[in-house]
Amino acid sequence: IAGITQAPTSQILAAGRRMTLRCTQDMRHNAMYWYRQDLGLGLRLIHYSNTAGTTGKGEVPDGYSVSRANTDDFPLTLASAVPSQTSVYFCASSEGITDTQYFGPGTRLTVL
Amino acid sequence: GQNIDQPTEMTATEGAIVQINCTYQTSGFNGLFWYQQHAGEAPTFLSYNVLDGLEEKGRFSSFLSRSKGYSYLLLKELQMKDSASYLCACMDSNYQLIWGAGTKLIIKP
Repeated sequence: IAGITQAPTSQILAAGRRMTLRCTQDMRHNAMYWYRQDLGLGLRLIHYSNTAGTTGKGEVPDGYSVSRANTDDFPLTLASAVPSQTSVYFCASSEGITDTQYFGPGTRLTVL
Repeated sequence: GQNIDQPTEMTATEGAIVQINCTYQTSGFNGLFWYQQHAGEAPTFLSYNVLDGLEEKGRFSSFLSRSKGYSYLLLKELQMKDSASYLCACMDSNYQLIWGAGTKLIIKP
């Protein structure tokens, strides 16, 4: 693994279903982030983790949860998907909270 | 509120120079970032400014004026591969990035 990986690449999901988006980094970065990107809007922060064992809410956290059990992994869970959660989801990481963020390839999620 | 403004779309000619502007209003300021994003791909880091002035990196340069809440990205000797969206982002007082909607740059031969 080099950098950040995300899985799945894309997914079509029925409304009401539970879904976990996976994110793994091998750079030993302390901070990790989940963003969503929608047409015409800037990237919006969903949740973040400044270091393993801690998480925080971003701009649009409702309907999403995260965990950070170790340095490398930062999964994002949609407990009960709704169509408004249709988006492209990017995971990112940085060495520290003031440092440059590096992005994974993204997950394209469609909720029907 | 916090706000980042940049033009939605710009068109330029191969070999030419283009300047993409970004104005910002954020609660606190801990630096300004520029990212490039090709269609269907992830954003990739281009530049970072925290002090006033120009940072040059090959064909790309980025300028910051903190007193004016203004930055620009200058791309020289444009190549077709520079066709992409360019994202401006400011780090606020909580060290979170506030993102602009991006400027789609179209390069014509």
